[in-house]
Amino acid sequence: KNEVEQSPQNLTAQEGEFITINCSYSVGISALHWLQQHPGGGIVSLFMLSSGKKKHGRLIATINIQEKHSSLHITASHPRDSAVYICAAHGGATNKLIFGTGTLLAVQP
Amino acid sequence: DAMVIQNPRYQVTQFGKPVTLSCSQTLNHNVMYWYQQKSSQAPKLLFHYYDKDFNNEADTPDNFQSRRPNTSFCFLDIRSPGLGDAAMYLCATSRGDAGTEAFFGQGTRLTVV
Repeated sequence: KNEVEQSPQNLTAQEGEFITINCSYSVGISALHWLQQHPGGGIVSLFMLSSGKKKHGRLIATINIQEKHSSLHITASHPRDSAVYICAAHGGATNKLIFGTGTLLAVQP
Repeated sequence: DAMVIQNPRYQVTQFGKPVTLSCSQTLNHNVMYWYQQKSSQAPKLLFHYYDKDFNNEADTPDNFQSRRPNTSFCFLDIRSPGLGDAAMYLCATSRGDAGTEAFFGQGTRLTVV
């Protein structure tokens, strides 16, 4: 079992829909990252969370430390949001950055 | 300006011919990571450095080595690349303190012919 699990693995949405991607982790962490990767492209950091909630434009990320769960929400989704979204847990004691399996999002016009 | 730079962006090497991938950072971060990402898979951690301390993952093949001559640079050496080593190789850095952000390079796509 992966230490960082994401769901769903694949997600297709219509433009304008509200999207939620979930991440659960089983390790102790100091922070959790949400990352975006376009096909063939490098990785862009969207958020880093250690508690609570962060918002950037149409993106919102939340984390519940007690439940070891985080969510990434996209409001008013757009085709340009189509990408792989990855959560990565930063293990505080080990300094390891452990990646989830990723969620492939396709937003159709 | 890019803060984590990987060179080259694309590398083609021959089967069995040693190849070196480069990562440099301007952030003065303590930790540098190397990941391998194959098509449609999540990045897999190969190893990381905390300053000069090298931390190898248990399942990283011996074919993969790394060097960190100074804070700014970290190299990934593949001693005898096989066809199965064709992948995107990602470098990332972090300060290493609890709750600090990680920064990623653009990756090097390695093709083995």
